[in-house]
Amino acid sequence: DTEVTQTPKHLVMGMTNKKSLKCEQHMGHRAMYWYKQKAKKPPELMFVYSYEKLSINESVPSRFSPECPNSSLLNLHLHALQPEDSALYLCASSQDLLYRQFFGPGTRLTVL
Amino acid sequence: AQSVTQLDSQVPVFEEAPVELRCNYSSSVSVYLFWYVQYPNQGLQLLLKYLSGSTLVESINGFEAEFNKSQTSFHLRKPSVHISDTAEYFCAVSDRGYQKVTFGTGTKLQVIP
Repeated sequence: DTEVTQTPKHLVMGMTNKKSLKCEQHMGHRAMYWYKQKAKKPPELMFVYSYEKLSINESVPSRFSPECPNSSLLNLHLHALQPEDSALYLCASSQDLLYRQFFGPGTRLTVL
Repeated sequence: AQSVTQLDSQVPVFEEAPVELRCNYSSSVSVYLFWYVQYPNQGLQLLLKYLSGSTLVESINGFEAEFNKSQTSFHLRKPSVHISDTAEYFCAVSDRGYQKVTFGTGTKLQVIP
């Protein structure tokens, strides 16, 4: 199994909703990442987890809350989002930090 | 700090013609360099990477890139493109001492039949 899966593929939510994005990998990777990609823009790093501990938080607003319950799973909890948070959210994993990152297909989020 | 510049936002090219997508980077330390491809409505796929050793790196689908330290460039080339190569291509750089990958703004390759 050499892929990163993300659910859901699409998500539409209101500004008062609470939702979660999920990412899963079974490659034994110990580093996992969340990126945000706006339309026609490059991906921007949000969070990095290494060995299930938050390693990097790129000054992301607190309405985004990451969680790494185990070495295979990475969640992104969403609460009180704004319409400008609408984007493609990409998850990635790597064997360890600085190794090749494998990207999931992304969750396309629309905030109304 | 590091940065990546992709000067061409769009590159139209006829099928079977050669193509070069330009990438320049800046960094105060040694870096790793990457090219990623993103097909419409999909995530990123690593195309090729330069970590060390030979400055010319190749991918399995005919793309190649050459690391030029003096010109701080990592241009992507293919001698003959196919319709299926139509996609967005991102150049990226990673500081060897840090795990952050910085992406360029992307170049949209449009292959014309």
